[in-house]
Amino acid sequence: AQSVTQLGSHVSVSEGALVLLRCNYSSSVPPYLFWYVQYPNQGLQLLLKYTSAATLVKGINGFEAEFKKSETSFHLTKPSAHMSDAAEYFCAVSVGGGKLIFGQGTELSVKP
Amino acid sequence: SAVISQKPSRDICQRGTSLTIQCQVDSQVTMMFWYRQQPGQSLTLIATANQGSEATYESGFVIDKFPISRPNLTFSTLTVSNMSPEDSSIYLCSAGVSSGGYTFGSGTRLTVV
Repeated sequence: AQSVTQLGSHVSVSEGALVLLRCNYSSSVPPYLFWYVQYPNQGLQLLLKYTSAATLVKGINGFEAEFKKSETSFHLTKPSAHMSDAAEYFCAVSVGGGKLIFGQGTELSVKP
Repeated sequence: SAVISQKPSRDICQRGTSLTIQCQVDSQVTMMFWYRQQPGQSLTLIATANQGSEATYESGFVIDKFPISRPNLTFSTLTVSNMSPEDSSIYLCSAGVSSGGYTFGSGTRLTVV
C-alpha cells in the first residue's frame, strides 16, 4: 500500500537560510508525487508535482523538489527562506483513481 | 488547472443538525473528491464523488453520515448529517487529474457546538 512519511512535524529556519522539508514515500508502482502548502485559514495550494518526467521539479515561489527513486524520497527545498514561506506543507502521493494520500504535514516557521 | 469555489467558508452549527457544503468547478472534471482535515491533522479522503452514480466511500466513512451528490461534471455537495462536536473539522473538495495535479477549494471550517 502506498504511504507518505514527512520527517519533522515542525521545522524552523532563519530568514535567508536553506529550507529542507523531507518526504519519503512507499509505492508499489511509479508514483505521482505532490507538495502542497496551506497558509493559515486557507485551503491547499499546489507547489509542485512529479509525474515521471524530469526528476528535478521546479515549483512556485522558488521551491523545488528532487525525486530519488533509490531513496524513495521527494524532499522539498528552497535556497533562501522568506517570512512569507511560513505555513504548513504537505507531501502527497497519488494512489490511483485520483485519490491522494497525504503525509502528516510539516509546519515551517521562519525567524527574522 | 481548475478553479474551485467552495461554500460556505465557515459555519457554526448546533449538534444534531446537518450542513450541506457546495463545491463548484469552473470546468468539467471527471474526478471530484471530498477530504476532511481534523484540527491539527492532515487530510483524510472521505469519498470520491462520481457523476451519475453513488459516491465511493473510504473506510470509516458512510453514506448515511456523509451523503454526497454529483449531479453534473462541475458541481458536488457534501452533507454532514446529525452533527456532533467530533465533526468539527475543515472539509475540502478537490478536483483534477493525476498528471496535472489536484486543485483544492478553500475549505469549509465547521464548528459544532
